[in-house]
Amino acid sequence: GAGVSQSPSNKVTEKGKDVELRCDPISGHTALYWYRQSLGQGLEFLIYFQGNSAPDKSGLPSDRFSAERTGGSVSTLTIQRTQQEDSAVYLCASSLGSGKDEQYFGPGTRLTVT
Amino acid sequence: QQPVQSPQAVILREGEDAVINCSSSKALYSVHWYRQKHGEAPVFLMILLKGGEQKGHEKISASFNEKKQQSSLYLTASQLSYSGTYFCGTEKWNSGGSNYKLTFGKGTLLTVNP
Repeated sequence: GAGVSQSPSNKVTEKGKDVELRCDPISGHTALYWYRQSLGQGLEFLIYFQGNSAPDKSGLPSDRFSAERTGGSVSTLTIQRTQQEDSAVYLCASSLGSGKDEQYFGPGTRLTVT
Repeated sequence: QQPVQSPQAVILREGEDAVINCSSSKALYSVHWYRQKHGEAPVFLMILLKGGEQKGHEKISASFNEKKQQSSLYLTASQLSYSGTYFCGTEKWNSGGSNYKLTFGKGTLLTVNP
């Protein structure tokens, strides 16, 4: 079946512009996660959705970052007024539930802020 | 709090064994292991749960010592396909059970040479 898809695969933007990253999870997966991976670094947890709800937004790096999920499916991660330090690969993952269930990762969106 | 992985990197010849360790300063309820090949998304290897339950797809073995707050991943008779960066992740739930976070270590780079 179809895996997790993300779009765009690559995004180059100028400093100060807003960007929107999209994630389509596996159908039927109720849990959705966003991570950030900077060059040569580990996976930084950003936010978790159970259904459409994200109980805790404290993992988002700054108030320029926001995320939403609609219809228990597609999620968007929005970065406003992008900065060079936002450059990274943004990974989305989904799982059937959470905790005991494996996460399936999408291919990621490589964001470059110039 | 981010788990600590060791070693940071290891180089093997095909057929050799390796152990990757993951430790936490906080009580662990479960440990997740993922492998990421260069330029690809992380792929699930195994979840080890408190009480001894394990979930995994591949022929990889791991241990989870709840008292020592440690987990180890055992790679035996390594194959070229084992090369990649291995990440361990530790869970955190809030007291109400509505919020979830998976924090990954910085990774262990495993290189298997012919």
